[in-house]
Amino acid sequence: DTEVTQTPKHLVMGMTNKKSLKCEQHMGHRAMYWYKQKAKKPPELMFVYSYEKLSINESVPSRFSPECPNSSLLNLHLHALQPEDSALYLCASSQDPLRSGGAGDTQYFGPGTRLTVL
Amino acid sequence: QKEVEQNSGPLSVPEGAIASLNCTYSDRGSQSFFWYRQYSGKSPELIMFIYSNGDKEDGRFTAQLNKASQYVSLLIRDSQPSDSATYLCAVRGGGGTYKYIFGTGTRLKVLA
Repeated sequence: DTEVTQTPKHLVMGMTNKKSLKCEQHMGHRAMYWYKQKAKKPPELMFVYSYEKLSINESVPSRFSPECPNSSLLNLHLHALQPEDSALYLCASSQDPLRSGGAGDTQYFGPGTRLTVL
Repeated sequence: QKEVEQNSGPLSVPEGAIASLNCTYSDRGSQSFFWYRQYSGKSPELIMFIYSNGDKEDGRFTAQLNKASQYVSLLIRDSQPSDSATYLCAVRGGGGTYKYIFGTGTRLKVLA
């Protein structure tokens, strides 16, 4: 089973709202990722958690706040977003981020959350 | 800036033909290479991963890796209209980085 789940599937929010995106995997993967994808563009890395520690923050604005409560869960807290933040937000996980060149670093993506900021 | 390059297409092939998708990368230390298929409005779906030079086959799909030329390709045999999608090449950089660099994707159209 290589399932990564994300909720909600769709989210519409105003610029003053606070909302959260949730991602979950039960594959025992120790790396989890947040990506942002605009239409007709490739996924753009936002954050990486390795063994529940934030390992990469790709200079993402502070209105996006990640959280990794445990090895299976990843949240993305949203506050005071802008209309240009509207995009597909993708969560991914991989088995073992400390190993490369093997099956352990294959990323599996969740279905995504389609976010619209009004 | 590490880069992964793909021809954006669209690449149009008739049903039943072989589709050939290509990808080049700049980081010579890269060790892990992935092909994803993405339908419009959906998330990327893993097709193949490859780590060693040479060919790797899985059903109708064959991935080819040439690290000396910094080139990875995907062949789709007996192409079907359902294969019409954008194909993303992804590369995990060298040095133990957690970053995966995606190409801009090649849009494939299989004509019935």
